[in-house]
Amino acid sequence: TQLLEQSPQFLSIQEGENLTVYCNSSSVFSSLQWYRQEPGEGPVLLVTVVTGGEVKKLKRLTFQFGDARKDSSLHITAAQTGDTGLYLCAGAKAAGNKLTFGGGTRVLVKP
Amino acid sequence: DTGVSQDPRHKITKRGQNVTFRCDPISEHNRLYWYRQTLGQGPEFLTYFQNEAQLEKSRLLSDRFSAERPKGSFSTLEIQRTEQGDSAMYLCASSYDTEAFFGQGTRLTVV
Repeated sequence: TQLLEQSPQFLSIQEGENLTVYCNSSSVFSSLQWYRQEPGEGPVLLVTVVTGGEVKKLKRLTFQFGDARKDSSLHITAAQTGDTGLYLCAGAKAAGNKLTFGGGTRVLVKP
Repeated sequence: DTGVSQDPRHKITKRGQNVTFRCDPISEHNRLYWYRQTLGQGPEFLTYFQNEAQLEKSRLLSDRFSAERPKGSFSTLEIQRTEQGDSAMYLCASSYDTEAFFGQGTRLTVV
């Protein structure tokens, strides 16, 4: 049983469509990080959220941290083929502590 | 390039052999983490160091696994008497505070 549950596990959409990935837990986290990973490579940090209710935008990507700091979402607007990859959420119970990862959401954006 | 560096990128070894991986963290990052990732899963925590002190080890880290960070800079992860179940991507990350940055990983295949 994973401490962080991501949904969906797999998402296939057409270029230009929007998508949302969810990351849920029954535990409270001090911070939550979102990563994107491509095959054979390490995860690349996209964003860190630390405050309950926080919303961060990174170009077409919008990240939200739940008010209770137990869940998060990633929304991509007008997806592009370059957005294809494995999206991972990871939570830390305190600054500098180990990260607990969700199982990942594999996103495929078709041209 | 001042990112996290891992060596080697790929390792194929016969069952029963010992292997050692190296991780060079981002300069001045005092925390260094090792994770293991199998296909289709999110990374799982193995162990972490603050400076040269190993502060936490996962139960996943059997007695065949040992990690060191002798001078608080680079780290090594050794697996003795490798088994086929050890085949995975071994990821290293470093951090100074909240955000953790990953290396490109070492893909281990035990045949």
